[in-house]
Amino acid sequence: GDSVTQMEGPVTLSEEAFLTINCTYTATGYPSLFWYVQYPGEGLQLLLKATKADDKGSNKGFEATYRKETTSFHLEKGSVQVSDSAVYFCALSDGGTGGFKTIFGAGTRLFVKA
Amino acid sequence: NAGVTQTPKFRILKIGQSMTLQCTQDMNHNYMYWYRQDPGMGLKLIYYSVGAGITDKGEVPNGYNVSRSTTEDFPLRLELAAPSQTSVYFCASSYSSGGANHEQYFGPGTRLTVT
Repeated sequence: GDSVTQMEGPVTLSEEAFLTINCTYTATGYPSLFWYVQYPGEGLQLLLKATKADDKGSNKGFEATYRKETTSFHLEKGSVQVSDSAVYFCALSDGGTGGFKTIFGAGTRLFVKA
Repeated sequence: NAGVTQTPKFRILKIGQSMTLQCTQDMNHNYMYWYRQDPGMGLKLIYYSVGAGITDKGEVPNGYNVSRSTTEDFPLRLELAAPSQTSVYFCASSYSSGGANHEQYFGPGTRLTVT
């Protein structure tokens, strides 16, 4: 079945450091890919998305490119801030399997130190 | 738009008690979902609905029930609460007329403790 694997956390960085959170997926169809962010005490909210191969999603300085050849959707940010401290979830939605259901990764917790 | 709202925010139950978690969305979304998130873990799908009058089980449905009488509301019922149901519960909704682009909108969550 469909699955999402993301790097284990926590990830601890200093302010202004470069961030990469790895995400790979398996899917039988042609999924849409998402990154969601969860700030402390809140629900998840969509950070960015990509709906087809080679698309790049971007928002708030974060970027991720849909790589079909490597089945990956890695999240990057050039310079993190303390306010980026949160849990990040990679996810896929695969309409090819009747999948309005979204498959979430386990989440990666990011701590950014001042 | 208020988006997805959930009540209550917090609740403590004794073992064997029952309760209903409320969820309402005002975005006219056809799909709605209930997830639980255990500490330090990802999301597990409990139940989902593709429209009013239609519900189906997710990954971890045991001990829960749902109904969807209107597009807006999707309550989750816990019968005979057990300590294993201690978790944070999130309701979410999405809209699609077909295809895979199901970005979901989440409520703020209900933190439930069963003692």
